[in-house]
Parts: sequence; C-alpha cells; structure tokens
Amino acid sequence: SQTIHQWPATLVQPVGSPLSLECTVEGTSNPNLYWYRQAAGRGLQLLFYSVGIGQISSEVPQNLSASRPQDRQFILSSKKLLLSDSGFYLCAWSPLTLHTDTQYFGPGTRLTVL
Amino acid sequence: DAKTTQPPSMDCAEGRAANLPCNHSTISGNEYVYWYRQIHSQGPQYIIHGLKNNETNEMASLIITEDRKSSTLILPHATLRDTAVYYCIVRAYTGNQFYFGTGTSLTVIP
Repeated sequence: SQTIHQWPATLVQPVGSPLSLECTVEGTSNPNLYWYRQAAGRGLQLLFYSVGIGQISSEVPQNLSASRPQDRQFILSSKKLLLSDSGFYLCAWSPLTLHTDTQYFGPGTRLTVL
Repeated sequence: DAKTTQPPSMDCAEGRAANLPCNHSTISGNEYVYWYRQIHSQGPQYIIHGLKNNETNEMASLIITEDRKSSTLILPHATLRDTAVYYCIVRAYTGNQFYFGTGTSLTVIP
C-alpha cells in the first residue's frame, strides 16, 4: 500500500531563517505531488505541484520554492522565512490514472515563525 | 470548479447515522463530488467520491441526487473518532487543486 511521510511534524523558526520541509511517498511510482498550506481556521491553498522529477509549477507568488530531486521526494524550501509563512503545510500525492486523481494527504508540518 | 455549500456545524449521537448534506447547484457534467475529512491537526483524509451513481465503501456512502445538484455523505454508525471537519468538493477528474472550503464541523456526542 502507499504511504506518504512528512517531516518534521512541528517546527519553530525565527524570522529570516531558512526552511526545508521534506515529503516522501512509498509504494507508488510517478506520482503527482503537491504542497498546500492551511492557515489557521481556513481552507487549503495550493502552493506547488509537480508531475515529474525537476518539474515544478507554482500556483501563487511567494517566499517559498519547491524541488523534486527524486521521483517520490518533494521538498519545500525558503531562504528567509517571514512571519506570514506560519501555517500547516501539507504534502499530497495522486496517482497517474485516466479516471481519477484523488489526492492523498500526508500528516502535515506545523510551522511557527517567530 | 463548481462551488459547494455546506452547513457550518452538525451534531450526531454516537451509534446513529450521520447525514452530511452538500449543495452544488452549478456542477458541470464532468465534475465529480469528493468528500474529505480533517481531524484536528491532521492532514485531510479521503473518504469517497462519485460522479452520478451512489457510491459506498468501508467508510461511508455517497448519495447524489438525480439532477446532481446536491449530495449527502452518510456515516452509517458514527463513533467519537468521526468527529472532524467534513469537506465536500466538486471538481473535474483532472485538475491540480482541491478547493477546500470551510466544510461542516461534525461533533459526535456520546
């Protein structure tokens, strides 16, 4: 069966510090991968998605970047964190099929920028 | 993707069926109805999805009206662990983003 991992689970970082969040998927090949952010009490906002190694699409301009160095690895980064980067970051994957692309979410990383 | 409307909150007694409604009057012919839930501080969990036929799996049943303008998610025997925010999402089967609105906060009462 497929599983998705995210780490760390929680993170507290000072403003201006760098960020690296990692997401890995097991049990599948060539998945679509997604990074979302959920602000407190609000819906999910898609940040990046990737359909393959080295292929990244950004949905909104922001202080963050994403990379996909391996088929089942997706990394979210920042060179200098802002207070507004605080939130719950979720990685998701979906299989490549013709009929459905249900997305399956990881456990999330709660980031607090102080 | 079509917009959905859900009640902000609902209560259900433990062991009873929980029926969560969703209106999607502007749904298009190629759009599916998806249901997810999110337990506090966890990632959203996929529950079920359907196009026009009713669907059932080990977690829930999805009833879609004949005109497809509304649907109901049914949890047949609610437990305390079903307390969560439930999201109804309508989208075409290919697309990049799942638009999660505010959902319905379901509280299962002992």
